[in-house]
Amino acid sequence: GENVEQHPSTLSVQEGDSAVIKCTYSDSASNYFPWYKQELGKRPQLIIDIRSNVGEKKDQRIAVTLNKTAKHFSLHITETQPEDSAVYFCAALSSGSARQLTFGSGTQLTVLP
Amino acid sequence: GAGVSQSPRYKVAKRGQDVALRCDPISGHVSLFWYQQALGQGPEFLTYFQNEAQLDKSGLPSDRFFAERPEGSVSTLKIQRTQQEDSAVYLCASSPALAGVNEQFFGPGTRLTVL
Repeated sequence: GENVEQHPSTLSVQEGDSAVIKCTYSDSASNYFPWYKQELGKRPQLIIDIRSNVGEKKDQRIAVTLNKTAKHFSLHITETQPEDSAVYFCAALSSGSARQLTFGSGTQLTVLP
Repeated sequence: GAGVSQSPRYKVAKRGQDVALRCDPISGHVSLFWYQQALGQGPEFLTYFQNEAQLDKSGLPSDRFFAERPEGSVSTLKIQRTQQEDSAVYLCASSPALAGVNEQFFGPGTRLTVL
């Protein structure tokens, strides 16, 4: 089955700096890669996603890049703000009959004012 | 419109009790998923429904866990004879069946604490 590894597990940045979180996956058949933001006690919220036929996607201050050959994808947050502080999870979805997401272990991002 | 809802939001059970957790998916969403999220970890897949059919239950940790979606909308996750290791947040997610749409919309979860 799919295995997703995520790092770092914790990340502290100064407000205004950039943050980068990286994930690797094992199943070359995976074709959909979402990123979720989860605040304490809240539900995971999709912030951006990318499909395997695209190398990069951007939405305002957030971007995701995908390297299919190396089987890794990254989340980039620019001009970080204190409200970006949360746990971020990457995930991968296989293209087969299984429809479940396999999640990374999460990154606790803290943006220091 | 209304998102995915779950009830109860919090449940405390004594070891050995049975519990039932409810999920109301977004109206019209064909796919429904249950995930278990231990403290400080990412969600882990439990089971998947397409309409009323349970197509994958490979993630259920033991035969004490049972899920159903009899009419293809509301789903219930039941845990029999709860154990302390069952303590976790149980997340439900739904997804439309539209081709090319993979996004899963999560509910707020039920935090289960087994004493």
